[in-house]
Amino acid sequence: ELKVEQNPLFLSMQEGKNYTIYCNYSTTSDRLYWYRQDPGKSLESLFVLLSNGAVKQEGRLMASLDTKARLSTLHITAAVHDLSATYFCAVETGGGADGLTFGKGTHLIIQP
Amino acid sequence: DGGITQSPKYLFRKEGQNVTLSCEQNLNHDAMYWYRQDPGQGLRLIYYSQIVNDFQKGDIAEGYSVSREKKESFPLTVTSAQKNPTAFYLCASSIGSTGELFFGEGSRLTVL
Repeated sequence: ELKVEQNPLFLSMQEGKNYTIYCNYSTTSDRLYWYRQDPGKSLESLFVLLSNGAVKQEGRLMASLDTKARLSTLHITAAVHDLSATYFCAVETGGGADGLTFGKGTHLIIQP
Repeated sequence: DGGITQSPKYLFRKEGQNVTLSCEQNLNHDAMYWYRQDPGQGLRLIYYSQIVNDFQKGDIAEGYSVSREKKESFPLTVTSAQKNPTAFYLCASSIGSTGELFFGEGSRLTVL
């Protein structure tokens, strides 16, 4: 059974600081996805990582994938309040159309 | 605009009643999915469908039923057999060649 573990599950940090969220998964996969969820809202796609060594950046967020270590990271640089949200990583359960298995999410609060 | 429409957004149900959640997409995606989210939890897969007239159980299918008579539509029925149906329900679709999911706005079901 595929397991996806995120840590930390809760993170409170100050604006301007850097931090990294970790996502480990239990089976081999070349594809990993990051999503953002605001309170009471749906999920928004942030990054699609499709191969070992993939790195994607959007503003203050950068995601990377190491398929050999079964590890993805989401790095936040110089955090701002608008980045407060819950971040989920997800891995393909089987083939491309079998759905994704999600981690429990990292609830991120950025305080001024 | 292309997207996924879920309705209703909020739904209240008495114990013992069946309810049906609607999900319609105009993205021309082959695959559609239903996920359940409980407070502070990740998403769990209920059912998915890769093509019309075919669907598969996910991790928590008990107490739920689906149909896929049209490519655009994938309704979910929460039956009275579902022991704890209060949750946030998210419908998603994907092209199928990659696992990237596109989500609707969600339906929040509360059992009174």
